Amino acid sequence: KNEVEQSPQNLTAQEGEFITINCSYSVGISALHWLQQHPGGGIVSLFMLSSGKKKHGRLIATINIQEKHSSLHITASHPRDSAVYICALSSSGGSNYKLTFGKGTLLTVNP
Amino acid sequence: EAGVAQSPRYKIIEKRQSVAFWCNPISGHATLYWYQQILGQGPKLLIQFQNNGVVDDSQLPKDRFSAERLKGVDSTLKIQPAKLEDSAVYLCASSLPSRSLYEQYFGPGTRLTVT
Repeated sequence: KNEVEQSPQNLTAQEGEFITINCSYSVGISALHWLQQHPGGGIVSLFMLSSGKKKHGRLIATINIQEKHSSLHITASHPRDSAVYICALSSSGGSNYKLTFGKGTLLTVNP
Repeated sequence: EAGVAQSPRYKIIEKRQSVAFWCNPISGHATLYWYQQILGQGPKLLIQFQNNGVVDDSQLPKDRFSAERLKGVDSTLKIQPAKLEDSAVYLCASSLPSRSLYEQYFGPGTRLTVT
């Protein structure tokens, strides 16, 4: 079983719809990251959170440490939100900080 | 602030050839990572440097992959000889650890195609 599971793998939405992407994990973490990757592009960090909820523009990320679950929400989705969204876990072993990545969710927002 | 720079952006080689990738991290970032991302999967850590020392290279195929970070700044990743299954995007990232939480900054990646 993978340490990080994302769902859905693929998601197609119409412009304006509310989007939810889920991430479940099975290990202890220091923090959870939500990342965005556009086709052919590098990866951009959206959120890094260890508890509660964070909001940036139309993006909201929540985490429930007890349930080992996080969600990324996009309100009023737009075609420019089309990208792969990746959940990643920070774990620490001494001074060595590692990221473990999910496989990503491919989001396509149609106009 | 300049981001993480990588070159080349694209490379096509034949199997059994050699290839090298270059990464320049954000100024002052002590930690540098090389990831391999195969199509449809999340990135996989190949090697992590702290300054110019290797912290983790447990998933680096050492029979064909090598990496160095001279003077604790720029880094190169080499594949010699390449195999078809090495076709992937190679991502470089850097970070400045602060307390127990950190954020990695990624470069644009190098897309390698091995034919």
